[in-house]
Amino acid sequence: QSALTQPASVSGSPGQSITISCTGTSSDVGGFNYVSWYQQHPGNAPKLILYEVTNRPSGVSNRFSGSKSGNTASLTISRLQAEDEGDYYCISYRSSSTLWVFGGGTKLTVL
Amino acid sequence: QVQLQESGPGLVKPSQTLSLTCTVSGGSLSTGDCCWSWIRQPAGKGLEWIGRIYTSGITDYNPSLKSRVTISVDTSKNQFSLRLTSVTAADTAVYFCARERTSSTWYPPNWFDPWGQGTLVTVSS
Repeated sequence: QSALTQPASVSGSPGQSITISCTGTSSDVGGFNYVSWYQQHPGNAPKLILYEVTNRPSGVSNRFSGSKSGNTASLTISRLQAEDEGDYYCISYRSSSTLWVFGGGTKLTVL
Repeated sequence: QVQLQESGPGLVKPSQTLSLTCTVSGGSLSTGDCCWSWIRQPAGKGLEWIGRIYTSGITDYNPSLKSRVTISVDTSKNQFSLRLTSVTAADTAVYFCARERTSSTWYPPNWFDPWGQGTLVTVSS
């Protein structure tokens, strides 16, 4: 069981928007703006798409956006494209000896 | 730009020691941000942080693995390494190395980028 809770799967049609949630506690997601999101395609390494809740690395599409409310962070992908299909993980810094906590991952299917 | 590459045996026998190396290219392991981490992912499952090392040699480990893990660094070779002892089938996973990043020295490292491509290690006799 992962420390951060994500839905196992979400789906959407091309052009639509979807949101993936990531729920933790006040010791991680809720306590800091230190949530990052990663996209992983089968057989590949995770790729950073958002850091510090809302920041996009250079080269990442502005269709990806992030937010946070309380102990829940969210990733929104707008104008869905077929290439967005894959697994998405959230990761948060945690103020304990664990240091890092991970979500279980969400499989995005583009219908 | 910095790139990471894992290397090591793909098959380890139960009770033996898993050893992997991560080679950093395109930049020096010794400069810049804090830390270098190992993360693993069992097939079809989520990610698990194993531990990290500062270029000074200071380490932090996941408490659930701490008794079996050693991470070391060789700055002359621009490499850092993972040793996991007394492995079982539960340690079968893709192992990634990654750099920890932060936007300010006032903040702790709070994201991973880049990651290595990952290497599959199977524990089996």
